[in-house]
Amino acid sequence: DAKTTQPPSMDCAEGRAANLPCNHSTISGNEYVYWYRQIHSQGPQYIIHGLKNNETNEMASLIITEDRKSSTLILPHATLRDTAVYYCIVRVPLAGNNRKLIWGLGTSLAVNP
Amino acid sequence: EAGVAQSPRYKIIEKRQSVAFWCNPISGHATLYWYQQILGQGPKLLIQFQNNGVVDDSQLPKDRFSAERLKGVDSTLKIQPAKLEDSAVYLCASSSFGLAGNEQFFGPGTRLTVL
Repeated sequence: DAKTTQPPSMDCAEGRAANLPCNHSTISGNEYVYWYRQIHSQGPQYIIHGLKNNETNEMASLIITEDRKSSTLILPHATLRDTAVYYCIVRVPLAGNNRKLIWGLGTSLAVNP
Repeated sequence: EAGVAQSPRYKIIEKRQSVAFWCNPISGHATLYWYQQILGQGPKLLIQFQNNGVVDDSQLPKDRFSAERLKGVDSTLKIQPAKLEDSAVYLCASSSFGLAGNEQFFGPGTRLTVL
């Protein structure tokens, strides 16, 4: 069962910031939050991940609330190529230093010109 | 660097037939994953290999699905016999092991249609 909930769809104007919310109220202390995106007819692509601190890379920023029950993915300057389904995911530990991603239904982001 | 390769890209079969999918991961990646993605849903992990051993197959319908990674490199996923509800995209992914394996790299997927 999914451990995250996201709005099914969002719109954003090209050049503006896209803020994608995610709720993960049942997350455990050792479970990471991951974000992937999937452009139509392609395999998912990794964006960013974090545990409790905010994270930033060349693609996006991840803001995690202090209680870790929710997070927001920020695309600072959305382009048309950012149109995709964005998945908020919880990574759970398995035996032997292995991990497993639990995927939700995702948010379909449409970036409009 | 070559990505994850999958074949075939598309497959159409009738129910009760058998089908097999092939995946070649990124060179050096110890962990290999097979996911099922039904239209409108997120990927669901079917099986995860660490080298040639199974780490997790809790969501694999073992009465009809099987997977192997005999030499710890490429892998095959088989469905026998197929049902209508098996229509989906089957995604293969790979990652490094341990702390370096934070990112999974996905192939383009195989779109299966069961009639």
